[in-house]
Amino acid sequence: SQQGEEDPQALSIQEGENATMNCSYKTSINNLQWYRQNSGRGLVHLILIRSNEREKHSGRLRVTLDTSKKSSSLLITASRAADTASYFCVTRGNEKLTFGTGTRLTIIP
Amino acid sequence: GAVVSQHPSRVICKSGTSVKIECRSLDFQATTMFWYRQFPKQSLMLMATSNEGSKATYEQGVEKDKFLINHASLTLSTLTVTSAHPEDSSFYICSARGPGDQGYTFGSGTRLTVV
Repeated sequence: SQQGEEDPQALSIQEGENATMNCSYKTSINNLQWYRQNSGRGLVHLILIRSNEREKHSGRLRVTLDTSKKSSSLLITASRAADTASYFCVTRGNEKLTFGTGTRLTIIP
Repeated sequence: GAVVSQHPSRVICKSGTSVKIECRSLDFQATTMFWYRQFPKQSLMLMATSNEGSKATYEQGVEKDKFLINHASLTLSTLTVTSAHPEDSSFYICSARGPGDQGYTFGSGTRLTVV
């Protein structure tokens, strides 16, 4: 399987705390993307990091990429209840996207 | 930003009937669209790649005759689940690559329930 692994599978934190999710993948990539999915809904693109980048920021999001370890992390700072969702890392080797297993994040008010 | 509209959002059908799901790129042209299937609390699994004006490319294990894909224009791809069975009940999501380097835009998904 080309599917990546995400860690942890589920994470519950208090509102205001930081949430960190990790992703490992198996093949060479052009870029890595993180998406959010609210329950039973479509996916929302959060951030894209290219293979030649090591870190990227967007608002409360911080993404790192280590191509030597084939891993990435997503940090959400100062979490809010609205951040409750599933988060997926997605790699693109060619035209196809490969989804990680996802992390279900629950923010406790 | 790029928008992909997927319709219907929910559908319930009887076993043996066919269901068509539409995926439209609203403000951009998409020569390639993708269809995914997602089981509860699981990740998305690519079913097929839909190419405008040509046959779709199916992933291993996906039945071509059961999941018919038509990409007749640069803004519309359809997935038809034929002779639906209860095990086809799932969440189906389409996506298209946005213009430029905006990543991929996803439809809002279709919850199919076969009874």
